[in-house]
Amino acid sequence: QSVLTQPPSVSGAPGQRVTISCTGSSSNIGAGYDVHWYQQLPGTAPKLLIYGNSNRPSGVPDRFSGSKSGTSASLAITGLQAEDEADYYCQSYDSSLSGSRVFGTGTKVTVL
Amino acid sequence: QVQLQESGPGLVKPSETLSLTCAVSGYSISSGYYWGWIRQPPGKGLEWIGSIYHSGSTYYNPSLKSRVTISVDTSKNQFSLKLSSVTAADTAVYYCAREKRHYYFDYWGQGTLVTVSS
Repeated sequence: QSVLTQPPSVSGAPGQRVTISCTGSSSNIGAGYDVHWYQQLPGTAPKLLIYGNSNRPSGVPDRFSGSKSGTSASLAITGLQAEDEADYYCQSYDSSLSGSRVFGTGTKVTVL
Repeated sequence: QVQLQESGPGLVKPSETLSLTCAVSGYSISSGYYWGWIRQPPGKGLEWIGSIYHSGSTYYNPSLKSRVTISVDTSKNQFSLKLSSVTAADTAVYYCAREKRHYYFDYWGQGTLVTVSS
């Protein structure tokens, strides 16, 4: 069971903006630990999309952005493209679980 | 370019021990960072298994801690996972990854499917 909760699915038309929420608690996101985001295309390994709440690794389009507030974080995708259809996971650290790195439940993004 | 490659048996019998190795190229494990194992059951989400530093210090998922051992071999630039007393619930794609400061994984292996079945 994950300690970070995400909506199971979100969808949008090409060109639209979608957001994915990641809700945690006072022992992970709310404790100040960074949130990171991964994109997993079908049949492939996860790829780092956002690190340190809002930083994009080299090569990640600026259509992807991250933010964090309180015990939650969000990933926004602007100008949605067909190639963005994938599963997205948030990830953080939880101090109540003996040094655990924790993943969110995952969100399927569908491009209509 | 950092590359990671998992290897090991694709089929393990129930109650036996799952053993996987992750070979790292393009970066020396001895140079630093943690190195982690993550798994994903078919059709489900990601689960962190554990991480190891080049010095050998480890952190494990509390839910798996009693069955997991992660070790590192800096001479071969690889690290390994052992998961004992496996059941069908341990069937998953197992990934190895490099873990940066602040606990995120920047480079991942392609993953290897391990099926637990008699």
